[in-house]
Amino acid sequence: DIVMTQSPDSLAVSLGERATINCKSSQSVLYSSNNKNYLAWYQQKPGQPPKLLIYWASTRESGVPDRFSGSGSGADFTLTISRLQAEDVAVYFCQQYYDSPWTFGQGTKVEIK
Amino acid sequence: QVQLQESGPGLVKPSETLSLSCTVSGYSISSGYCWAWIRQPPGKGLDWIGSVCHTGSTYYNPSLKSRVTISVDTSKNQFSLKLSSLIAADTAVYYCARPHEIALAGPFFDSWGQGTLVTVSS
Repeated sequence: DIVMTQSPDSLAVSLGERATINCKSSQSVLYSSNNKNYLAWYQQKPGQPPKLLIYWASTRESGVPDRFSGSGSGADFTLTISRLQAEDVAVYFCQQYYDSPWTFGQGTKVEIK
Repeated sequence: QVQLQESGPGLVKPSETLSLSCTVSGYSISSGYCWAWIRQPPGKGLDWIGSVCHTGSTYYNPSLKSRVTISVDTSKNQFSLKLSSLIAADTAVYYCARPHEIALAGPFFDSWGQGTLVTVSS
């Protein structure tokens, strides 16, 4: 199985400041034939299912605010919230869909400082 | 817009079999996709359990494969999960989900049910 490890487990950021979440996979999730990274990011608020934010490591899902961005390649990825808003308080997960079984990171909790 | 809704018991005894259904509206299951079950133990991360395709073919997480059966009922526009020999560690919120339409060989999920909490306890 591909193990997904996120860091940090939690972080507190002031409103309007930048939040950065890292995700490392135990092997590359870059598919060489199409040069795509098989990596997605989700946001989960309490009592709700996960919401897809980013796929192909950097493509924003329709309707997702542009303050959310994804970057990275191979085995190291980053989700950045450029200007944290109160409604961004949530747990964020990365997921690889390169190889079955599809696996998720343990989650990073983002709070307001 | 597709909607998914899980249903089933909230409390199951150890060693018994859990049966959950996911009712899909706004889309005909027989038209496509491989539909998934994903679970989340309280306060923890997400685990993909397995998927059933509109053709009826299935694929499972090897960690649960010996205990899992996922099936599709196109006449009811539902798909179902059976998980046998339950233990306390199977306590989780169980979600059904559909992959994004542009997902290729591997799925990422843009449509989710609200989830149903299943507690395994005597």
